[in-house]
Amino acid sequence: QTVVTQEPSFSVSPGGRVTLTCGLSSGSVSTSHNPSWYQQTPGQAPRTLIYSTNTRSSGVPDRFSGSIFGNKAALTITGAQADDESDYYCVLYMGTGIWVFGGGTKLTVL
Amino acid sequence: QVQLLESGGGVVQPGRSLRLSCVLSGFDFSRYGLHWVRQAPGKGLQWVAVIPHDGSNPYYADSVKGRVTISRDNSKNTLYLEMNSLRAEDTAVYYCARDLDLSPDFWGQGTLVTVSS
Repeated sequence: QTVVTQEPSFSVSPGGRVTLTCGLSSGSVSTSHNPSWYQQTPGQAPRTLIYSTNTRSSGVPDRFSGSIFGNKAALTITGAQADDESDYYCVLYMGTGIWVFGGGTKLTVL
Repeated sequence: QVQLLESGGGVVQPGRSLRLSCVLSGFDFSRYGLHWVRQAPGKGLQWVAVIPHDGSNPYYADSVKGRVTISRDNSKNTLYLEMNSLRAEDTAVYYCARDLDLSPDFWGQGTLVTVSS
């Protein structure tokens, strides 16, 4: 069974840059997986940040960007702010109508 | 604006059934695929099911296949998730989400399902 991997936790300094990744237990992530990224704070619904690898959702600041980095999908946050402290999830489209979420990354800004 | 409102959650005994609903507004409902995604308490997001814009060929995660049915009524702008033979591990907040370019896009606020005796 395919597992989508994410770093369990990450920390970044205010104003700093951080790249979170989304990989596969077997194989490489490509644009055909349509990687998407979501931000979630406790008690709230997920908020879409990036879809189709690198398209920002409406209203998402350009501090957030998506890409393919090596064999993984990547979410880069530049100029990190205190309210970026959240859980971040990626999802990959595996084809044949199936999607798989990663386990999420807890980002700390300190 | 786009709005999604889930309902139907609650406490249900193991082995029983439950039907969740999601009313969507602010966009042309019949043009979009729709997802259900769940999140167990303190855990990550788990994709559950998707239904295309016309209701044909839904797909399910292996963990729910055979116990769950996703459906939609385009005349009522409503998405459904019928869940049978509920187990403790089905306890979660269930979110509906619109699909955009093969990704869950707009999300509802979720409805909590608790399976407990």
